[in-house]
Amino acid sequence: DTGVSQDPRHKITKRGQNVTFRCDPISEHNRLYWYRQTLGQGPEFLTYFQNEAQLEKSRLLSDRFSAERPKGSFSTLEIQRTEQGDSAMYLCASSPGGLSGYTFGSGTRLTVV
Amino acid sequence: AQRVTQPEKLLSVFKGAPVELKCNYSYSGSPELFWYVQYSRQRLQLLLRHISRESIKGFTADLNKGETSFHLKKPFAQEEDSAMYYCALSETGANNLFFGTGTRLTVIP
Repeated sequence: DTGVSQDPRHKITKRGQNVTFRCDPISEHNRLYWYRQTLGQGPEFLTYFQNEAQLEKSRLLSDRFSAERPKGSFSTLEIQRTEQGDSAMYLCASSPGGLSGYTFGSGTRLTVV
Repeated sequence: AQRVTQPEKLLSVFKGAPVELKCNYSYSGSPELFWYVQYSRQRLQLLLRHISRESIKGFTADLNKGETSFHLKKPFAQEEDSAMYYCALSETGANNLFFGTGTRLTVIP
């Protein structure tokens, strides 16, 4: 296991298109988090899963955003009808429990043109 | 409301000089505080957390509840310390982190 994997690394899409990102956490980690990072800002929390249950969602997660973790392993984050303001780095992290064990992935950089 | 403030976007110090990266927080409860670091072309990683009260790579950080600060310090900066540093806070019982905007540290040889 080489850590948290995110795919793709980069995504360029036209405004209005739908995009989906994937995150594969560390296999023994039951918690999975999505964050978004825009230029010049720190990461901002989007949502959190414990196993397959989505337990928390930020107000940043508009109706166009949906996240799933169907079998408690990998997770997907979908953005529908993308807007230019969605351009950001989308980070995934996993942990075995608690906050000290956070391991981040390398992120997916989304550019909406 | 901004929970974590890092007032310096950029900080440059000479190799061997002391370094202090400032972090102030806003939270009335008992926060859990962290410093994360991102080296060039690497992923974000945990540097230290206040609960463990440990020194990592020569860095220490003390939680000052009176001043609501969690400054990161190192007595003698090394070139390999050049990186982006983020202070982060977790509220009591929460599962997510609030990050500051980060400070880019450059250590000049």
